[in-house]
Amino acid sequence: QVQLQESGPGLVKPSGTLSLTCAVSGGSISSSYWWTWVRQPPGKGLEWIGEIYHTGSTNYNPSLKSRVTISVDKSRNQFSLKLNSVTAADTAVYFCARGAGVRQSDYWGQGTLVTVSS
Amino acid sequence: DVLMTQSPSSLSASVGDRVTITCRASQSISSYLNWYQQKPGKAPKLLIYAASSLPSGVPSRFSGSGSGTDFTLTISSLQPEDFATYYCQQSYSSPTFGQGTRLEIK
Repeated sequence: QVQLQESGPGLVKPSGTLSLTCAVSGGSISSSYWWTWVRQPPGKGLEWIGEIYHTGSTNYNPSLKSRVTISVDKSRNQFSLKLNSVTAADTAVYFCARGAGVRQSDYWGQGTLVTVSS
Repeated sequence: DVLMTQSPSSLSASVGDRVTITCRASQSISSYLNWYQQKPGKAPKLLIYAASSLPSGVPSRFSGSGSGTDFTLTISSLQPEDFATYYCQQSYSSPTFGQGTRLEIK
């Protein structure tokens, strides 16, 4: 059973960088899946942030592309999200997920709340 | 971006009802349409992928149909655990989600 677990600071200052890691267990990050980040502002809907393949190939949401970097660490079986120049609008629950055949997210982490505030 | 529009935004129904939620894409997305269920404080759960395929473990009362721009999620007989928010997602291009449909108990 694949499990994903997000970790990282719950509070980030405005103009700073949000950094999160997603640890994958029960499966290899080098298998044929896309590894994805999705966020959800409090009380609002879901927003796809981006994805990475184990080869390092990435795709990003065009609206966030200038601020986002997703990377993979195969030795630790984890992948990471960096979002820079954050504002209060980036306050959200951040989920990591596994993307399968048609990029459907079939396994999800439980999510972690990141608040942007001074 | 492909804009996904769900209707209705909210819905009240009773246990045992048949419920249909629709999702419309702003351009053709073939069958690259997924449905998720989300309960408060929880991660989304995949219900349907590729418009009509049911993942292992998802009850057969859930079904999906459609292709191109118009899609539906149907719950054939509502159970108490089905009251949640439902999202469609297109994965044809840079993925986008619908705004969600909140299904409430009547």
